[in-house]
Amino acid sequence: GAVVSQHPSRVICKSGTSVKIECRSLDFQATTMFWYRQFPKQSLMLMATSNEGSKATYEQGVEKDKFLINHASLTLSTLTVTSAHPEDSSFYICSAGQKYEQYFGPGTRLTVT
Amino acid sequence: EDKVVQSPLSLVVHEGDTVTLNCSYEVTNFRSLLWYKQEKKAPTFLFMLTSSGIEKKSGRLSSILDKKELFSILNITATQTGDSAVYLCAGGPVGGGADGLTFGKGTHLIIQP
Repeated sequence: GAVVSQHPSRVICKSGTSVKIECRSLDFQATTMFWYRQFPKQSLMLMATSNEGSKATYEQGVEKDKFLINHASLTLSTLTVTSAHPEDSSFYICSAGQKYEQYFGPGTRLTVT
Repeated sequence: EDKVVQSPLSLVVHEGDTVTLNCSYEVTNFRSLLWYKQEKKAPTFLFMLTSSGIEKKSGRLSSILDKKELFSILNITATQTGDSAVYLCAGGPVGGGADGLTFGKGTHLIIQP
């Protein structure tokens, strides 16, 4: 089946620094990938749709200048959390679609101290 | 604004019991309803439903969609402790692979031995 990987799986950073999270589709090409955020005991919230070769589409309320998304190839999308603050601490999950299914990466736990 | 509401939010039953999880949705240009199981990390795909009244089954799990009432249920029969997880319901505008999903908050299911 389709496999999506994320790196790193866990990251701790200091407030004010930037963190980059990678999402890769390992055995298929994904023109579209999605980034979700999940706070403790909350559901997944779609942050943005990452489009290969073009700008990402952000959901309402998500700051595009803070959460930079780059989809440079058909197998890689990156999410950079810029000037991270403690309230950005969350579980970030990417997914990629293939046919009628959406495959999720294992997620990245970000902790901002 | 798209909305997916799941109930109950949490449920504790004994092994062997049958459970029914509920999901109602209001999704613009709705085309598909998806169920996921989330344990420790990223969600794993269970079902995608696009047609009303047609039950999908996988082992002890089954699900059905009512597009008139904007409702879906997930049934689990003869529950086992391994079924303990958060079950997420999500609505999508088109196919599960083509668009970002709107998730409900999930039902936290605990199966006691």
